[in-house]
Amino acid sequence: GAVVSQHPSRVICKSGTSVKIECRSLDFQATTMFWYRQFPKQSLMLMATSNEGSKATYEQGVEKDKFLINHASLTLSTLTVTSAHPEDSSFYICSPIQGSAYNSPLHFGNGTRLTVT
Amino acid sequence: DAKTTQPPSMDCAEGRAANLPCNHSTISGNEYVYWYRQIHSQGPQYIIHGLKNNETNEMASLIITEDRKSSTLILPHATLRDTAVYYCIVLFSGNTGKLIFGQGTTLQVKP
Repeated sequence: GAVVSQHPSRVICKSGTSVKIECRSLDFQATTMFWYRQFPKQSLMLMATSNEGSKATYEQGVEKDKFLINHASLTLSTLTVTSAHPEDSSFYICSPIQGSAYNSPLHFGNGTRLTVT
Repeated sequence: DAKTTQPPSMDCAEGRAANLPCNHSTISGNEYVYWYRQIHSQGPQYIIHGLKNNETNEMASLIITEDRKSSTLILPHATLRDTAVYYCIVLFSGNTGKLIFGQGTTLQVKP
Protein backbone atom coordinates (compact mmCIF):
# COMPACT_ATOMS: atom_id res chain seq x y z
CA GLY A 1 0.00 0.00 0.00
CA ALA A 2 0.91 3.65 -0.27
CA VAL A 3 3.44 4.93 2.22
CA VAL A 4 2.97 8.59 1.28
CA SER A 5 -0.31 10.46 1.09
CA GLN A 6 -0.38 13.80 -0.69
CA HIS A 7 -3.45 16.02 -0.89
CA PRO A 8 -5.06 17.48 -2.82
CA SER A 9 -4.25 15.67 -6.05
CA ARG A 10 -5.31 18.68 -8.08
CA VAL A 11 -6.39 22.20 -7.27
CA ILE A 12 -7.47 25.19 -9.29
CA CYS A 13 -7.24 28.58 -7.66
CA LYS A 14 -7.51 32.20 -8.61
CA SER A 15 -4.50 34.44 -8.90
CA GLY A 16 -3.62 36.05 -5.58
CA THR A 17 -4.98 33.29 -3.38
CA SER A 18 -2.99 30.81 -1.31
CA VAL A 19 -3.00 27.05 -1.62
CA LYS A 20 -1.90 24.51 0.97
CA ILE A 21 -0.59 21.09 -0.01
CA GLU A 22 -0.30 18.34 2.59
CA CYS A 23 2.07 15.42 2.60
CA ARG A 24 1.77 12.62 5.11
CA SER A 25 4.11 9.70 5.66
CA LEU A 26 1.95 6.74 6.57
CA ASP A 27 4.38 3.99 7.53
CA PHE A 28 7.26 5.83 9.11
CA GLN A 29 8.32 9.01 10.83
CA ALA A 30 9.66 11.49 8.33
CA THR A 31 12.54 13.40 9.84
CA THR A 32 13.17 15.05 6.49
CA MET A 33 10.82 16.09 3.70
CA PHE A 34 11.80 17.05 0.17
CA TRP A 35 9.52 19.15 -2.02
CA TYR A 36 9.89 19.02 -5.78
CA ARG A 37 8.27 20.97 -8.57
CA GLN A 38 7.76 19.78 -12.14
CA PHE A 39 6.74 21.95 -15.07
CA PRO A 40 5.18 20.37 -18.17
CA LYS A 41 7.58 18.24 -20.21
CA GLN A 42 10.38 18.89 -17.73
CA SER A 43 12.05 16.85 -15.04
CA LEU A 44 11.56 17.21 -11.29
CA MET A 45 13.39 20.08 -9.65
CA LEU A 46 14.08 20.15 -5.92
CA MET A 47 12.55 23.21 -4.28
CA ALA A 48 13.31 22.79 -0.62
CA THR A 49 14.28 20.45 2.18
CA SER A 50 12.63 20.54 5.57
CA ASN A 51 13.55 18.84 8.81
CA GLU A 52 11.00 18.26 11.53
CA GLY A 53 10.97 21.13 13.97
CA SER A 54 13.35 23.40 12.09
CA LYS A 55 13.28 25.86 9.22
CA ALA A 56 13.33 24.63 5.66
CA THR A 57 16.32 25.02 3.37
CA TYR A 58 15.44 26.37 -0.05
CA GLU A 59 17.22 25.75 -3.34
CA GLN A 60 18.63 28.66 -5.26
CA GLY A 61 15.94 30.62 -7.04
CA VAL A 62 13.07 29.41 -4.85
CA GLU A 63 11.44 32.17 -2.81
CA LYS A 64 11.04 31.13 0.80
CA ASP A 65 8.39 33.74 1.48
CA LYS A 66 6.29 32.48 -1.40
CA PHE A 67 6.58 28.77 -0.71
CA LEU A 68 6.00 28.33 3.00
CA ILE A 69 6.92 24.95 4.39
CA ASN A 70 5.78 23.66 7.76
CA HIS A 71 7.16 20.40 9.08
CA ALA A 72 5.72 20.47 12.58
CA SER A 73 5.35 16.73 13.06
CA LEU A 74 7.11 13.57 11.97
CA THR A 75 4.19 12.49 9.83
CA LEU A 76 2.99 15.73 8.26
CA SER A 77 4.57 18.46 6.20
CA THR A 78 2.75 21.20 4.34
CA LEU A 79 3.70 23.43 1.44
CA THR A 80 1.72 26.65 1.08
CA VAL A 81 1.93 28.57 -2.17
CA THR A 82 1.14 32.11 -1.13
CA SER A 83 -0.32 34.74 -3.43
CA ALA A 84 -0.28 32.27 -6.29
CA HIS A 85 0.22 33.47 -9.84
CA PRO A 86 -0.24 31.64 -13.15
CA GLU A 87 3.51 31.00 -13.36
CA ASP A 88 3.21 28.94 -10.16
CA SER A 89 1.04 26.45 -12.01
CA SER A 90 2.97 23.22 -11.78
CA PHE A 91 3.06 19.69 -10.43
CA TYR A 92 4.27 19.62 -6.81
CA ILE A 93 5.61 16.39 -5.32
CA CYS A 94 6.76 15.53 -1.81
CA SER A 95 9.23 12.87 -0.68
CA PRO A 96 9.52 12.02 3.02
CA ILE A 97 12.68 10.44 4.41
CA GLN A 98 13.09 8.47 7.60
CA GLY A 99 16.46 9.24 9.15
CA SER A 100 19.24 8.81 6.61
CA ALA A 101 18.28 7.61 3.16
CA TYR A 102 21.36 5.42 3.07
CA ASN A 103 20.81 2.49 0.75
CA SER A 104 17.05 2.81 0.97
CA PRO A 105 14.42 3.23 -1.71
CA LEU A 106 12.80 6.61 -1.57
CA HIS A 107 9.07 7.18 -1.69
CA PHE A 108 7.11 9.98 -3.26
CA GLY A 109 3.64 11.39 -2.98
CA ASN A 110 1.42 11.17 -6.02
CA GLY A 111 1.75 14.86 -6.64
CA THR A 112 -0.52 17.90 -6.63
CA ARG A 113 -1.44 19.52 -9.92
CA LEU A 114 -1.83 23.25 -9.23
CA THR A 115 -3.50 25.45 -11.81
CA VAL A 116 -3.64 29.17 -11.12
CA THR A 117 -6.11 31.11 -13.24
CA ASP B 1 26.80 13.20 -7.03
CA ALA B 2 27.83 11.86 -10.43
CA LYS B 3 25.93 12.93 -13.53
CA THR B 4 24.07 10.42 -15.68
CA THR B 5 23.30 10.33 -19.40
CA GLN B 6 20.27 8.56 -20.84
CA PRO B 7 18.73 8.46 -24.31
CA PRO B 8 15.71 10.77 -24.44
CA SER B 9 13.31 8.18 -25.79
CA MET B 10 12.92 4.50 -26.66
CA ASP B 11 10.22 2.27 -28.06
CA CYS B 12 9.54 -1.32 -27.10
CA ALA B 13 7.04 -3.88 -28.32
CA GLU B 14 4.61 -5.21 -25.75
CA GLY B 15 5.81 -8.53 -24.33
CA ARG B 16 9.41 -7.91 -25.30
CA ALA B 17 12.23 -7.00 -22.97
CA ALA B 18 12.92 -3.30 -22.60
CA ASN B 19 16.60 -2.48 -22.09
CA LEU B 20 17.21 1.06 -20.87
CA PRO B 21 20.84 2.20 -20.81
CA CYS B 22 22.45 4.76 -18.54
CA ASN B 23 25.96 6.16 -18.61
CA HIS B 24 27.55 7.31 -15.35
CA SER B 25 31.23 7.48 -16.26
CA THR B 26 32.16 9.72 -13.31
CA ILE B 27 30.62 7.46 -10.66
CA SER B 28 32.74 6.98 -7.57
CA GLY B 29 33.19 3.85 -5.50
CA ASN B 30 30.64 4.70 -2.85
CA GLU B 31 27.86 5.82 -5.17
CA TYR B 32 24.81 3.70 -5.85
CA VAL B 33 22.80 3.56 -9.07
CA TYR B 34 19.07 4.04 -8.52
CA TRP B 35 16.26 3.73 -11.04
CA TYR B 36 12.88 5.38 -10.75
CA ARG B 37 10.05 5.79 -13.17
CA GLN B 38 7.28 8.33 -13.49
CA ILE B 39 4.02 7.45 -15.11
CA HIS B 40 2.19 10.46 -16.46
CA SER B 41 0.79 12.76 -13.74
CA GLN B 42 2.01 10.57 -10.88
CA GLY B 43 4.88 10.77 -8.42
CA PRO B 44 8.09 8.85 -9.16
CA GLN B 45 8.12 5.16 -8.30
CA TYR B 46 11.19 3.33 -7.05
CA ILE B 47 12.25 0.42 -9.27
CA ILE B 48 15.63 -0.92 -8.19
CA HIS B 49 19.11 0.09 -7.07
CA GLY B 50 22.58 -1.41 -6.89
CA LEU B 51 26.21 -0.73 -6.12
CA LYS B 52 28.27 -3.11 -8.26
CA ASN B 53 26.53 -6.45 -8.38
CA ASN B 54 23.64 -7.13 -10.71
CA GLU B 55 20.30 -6.93 -8.96
CA THR B 56 16.87 -8.37 -9.68
CA ASN B 57 13.50 -7.84 -8.09
CA GLU B 58 9.89 -8.41 -9.06
CA MET B 59 9.88 -5.36 -11.30
CA ALA B 60 13.18 -5.39 -13.12
CA SER B 61 16.82 -6.36 -13.36
CA LEU B 62 19.76 -4.02 -13.08
CA ILE B 63 22.99 -4.85 -14.88
CA ILE B 64 26.01 -2.79 -13.87
CA THR B 65 29.19 -3.03 -15.93
CA GLU B 66 32.35 -4.18 -14.20
CA ASP B 67 33.89 -0.71 -14.38
CA ARG B 68 30.57 0.70 -13.09
CA LYS B 69 30.57 3.39 -15.74
CA SER B 70 27.26 2.31 -17.18
CA SER B 71 24.22 0.26 -16.33
CA THR B 72 21.13 -1.17 -17.99
CA LEU B 73 17.66 -1.48 -16.55
CA ILE B 74 15.83 -4.47 -17.96
CA LEU B 75 12.06 -4.86 -17.90
CA PRO B 76 11.79 -8.52 -18.95
CA HIS B 77 8.30 -8.47 -20.44
CA ALA B 78 7.18 -4.93 -21.06
CA THR B 79 3.48 -4.13 -20.86
CA LEU B 80 1.58 -1.04 -21.94
CA ARG B 81 1.51 0.03 -18.29
CA ASP B 82 5.30 0.28 -18.33
CA THR B 83 5.06 3.33 -20.59
CA ALA B 84 6.70 6.03 -18.47
CA VAL B 85 9.75 8.24 -18.03
CA TYR B 86 12.63 6.26 -16.50
CA TYR B 87 15.23 8.05 -14.43
CA CYS B 88 18.70 6.76 -13.65
CA ILE B 89 20.21 8.53 -10.63
CA VAL B 90 23.54 8.12 -8.90
CA LEU B 91 23.57 8.63 -5.16
CA PHE B 92 26.36 8.82 -2.62
CA SER B 93 26.07 5.98 -0.11
CA GLY B 94 25.67 8.41 2.75
CA ASN B 95 23.04 10.27 0.82
CA THR B 96 20.42 12.36 2.50
CA GLY B 97 17.74 11.37 -0.02
CA LYS B 98 18.13 14.53 -2.07
CA LEU B 99 17.69 13.42 -5.66
CA ILE B 100 18.88 15.28 -8.73
CA PHE B 101 16.68 14.20 -11.61
CA GLY B 102 17.98 14.34 -15.17
CA GLN B 103 15.68 14.29 -18.19
CA GLY B 104 15.31 10.52 -18.13
CA THR B 105 14.25 8.18 -20.93
CA THR B 106 10.67 8.18 -22.15
CA LEU B 107 9.80 4.56 -22.82
CA GLN B 108 6.85 3.96 -25.10
CA VAL B 109 5.58 0.40 -25.05
CA LYS B 110 3.61 -0.32 -28.21
CA PRO B 111 1.03 -3.06 -28.81
